[in-house]
Amino acid sequence: DIQMTQSPSSLSASVGDRVTITCQASQDISNYLNWYQQKPGKAPKLLIYDASNLETGVPSRFSGSGSGTDFTFTISSLQPEDIATYYCQQYDNLLPYTFGQGTKLEIK
Amino acid sequence: QLQLQESGPGLVKPSETLSLTCTVSGGSISSSSYYWGWIRQPPGKGLEWIGSIYYSGSTYYNPSLKSRVTISVDTSKNQFSLKLSSVTAADTAVYYCARHVNRIVGATFDAFDIWGQGTMVTVSS
Repeated sequence: DIQMTQSPSSLSASVGDRVTITCQASQDISNYLNWYQQKPGKAPKLLIYDASNLETGVPSRFSGSGSGTDFTFTISSLQPEDIATYYCQQYDNLLPYTFGQGTKLEIK
Repeated sequence: QLQLQESGPGLVKPSETLSLTCTVSGGSISSSSYYWGWIRQPPGKGLEWIGSIYYSGSTYYNPSLKSRVTISVDTSKNQFSLKLSSVTAADTAVYYCARHVNRIVGATFDAFDIWGQGTMVTVSS
């Protein structure tokens, strides 16, 4: 299986801060990476696909970049409603699809 | 607006079979553009993909669960279902169904873009 390692595991930031989460794959996955947001008690929501493409309706303060094994997810200006756990997910041709362990984002 | 809703028992005994159904509303499960998937999340832990199915019945599963998983589809009811056999406490989780954008059927990427709200299943005697 391809292992996805996110860092940090948790993060505390202030409203308006720029927030960055990284995701590292155990092998080259090209740009086959998605990012999801999961609020407490809710289902995950797709934010970014193909490493850098914003899903329809997702605010432009969210962005993603990277390819190969190293990926970055950024919130340009943290809003209170962004409090959630964020997951990366790879979809390389080798099964299974796997997710990172998650990054819990809190407001400072 | 497409919606998915999981249903099934919230409590299953060890060694028995977990059975869940996902009902799709606001759209057809027979769309040629999508697969349909199951994902689970143990309490306080991360996400694990279980498997996915096409309306034709074509399936593929997580190899770690393949020996115990069966996913089926009923297009007449606009539903797809999950069966997981020989469950243990380790199968206790919130189970989600989701629409699976899939390169196999022509999409340019794979992703789970619309999710049900999830249903908690506890394995306990």
